[in-house]
Amino acid sequence: EDQVTQSPEALRLQEGESSSLNCSYTVSGLRGLFWYRQDPGKGPEFLFTLYSAGEEKEKERLKATLTKKESFLHITAPKPEDSATYLCAVQAAGGQNFVFGPGTRLSVLP
Amino acid sequence: ETGVTQTPRHLVMGMTNKKSLKCEQHLGHNAMYWYKQSAKKPLELMFVYSLEERVENNSVPSRFSPECPNSSHLFLHLHTLQPEDSALYLCASSAAATYEQYFGPGTRLTVT
Repeated sequence: EDQVTQSPEALRLQEGESSSLNCSYTVSGLRGLFWYRQDPGKGPEFLFTLYSAGEEKEKERLKATLTKKESFLHITAPKPEDSATYLCAVQAAGGQNFVFGPGTRLSVLP
Repeated sequence: ETGVTQTPRHLVMGMTNKKSLKCEQHLGHNAMYWYKQSAKKPLELMFVYSLEERVENNSVPSRFSPECPNSSHLFLHLHTLQPEDSALYLCASSAAATYEQYFGPGTRLTVT
């Protein structure tokens, strides 16, 4: 059964304090790993797709990396507006199903 | 309208009511999805439609009935729901069933 776990469950950072969020997955052949950001009361907002181990993607202060067992979302010099819940999801090869992790709730304090 | 829209944004219904949730995507996508998001639980995929055909149904109770009349519209028909069905129901679309998804704002459903 495909599974996704995320750690930590919650993270509080000071503005400018860089850190990383982890997404560990078990899937029978990975088609893609997806990162989303979700603000309270809103739907998730797409950030990145990673397809193979070693791949990296960047957007502003965010950088996502992928290995065969996990993905990291690195946040460099975060700002308060980066506060949100970050969700990771995987899709297995040959299927239509997406499996989401429980998310990491990030708070960046000014 | 742009992106993915959902109506209503909030819905309160009794256990004997029948209601429908509506989703519309303005992105020219071919796949649409319904998700359930409950407190303290990960997003749960309920249904997947690709080119208007249902391709995934994750053991969802029959009191939830999806309908996809065309590639831009998706409905979720609700009847005789239970209090544990109270949740945020999210609609999403993607260019194909293997691409990243774009979500609507959700319908906050409360079953009394």
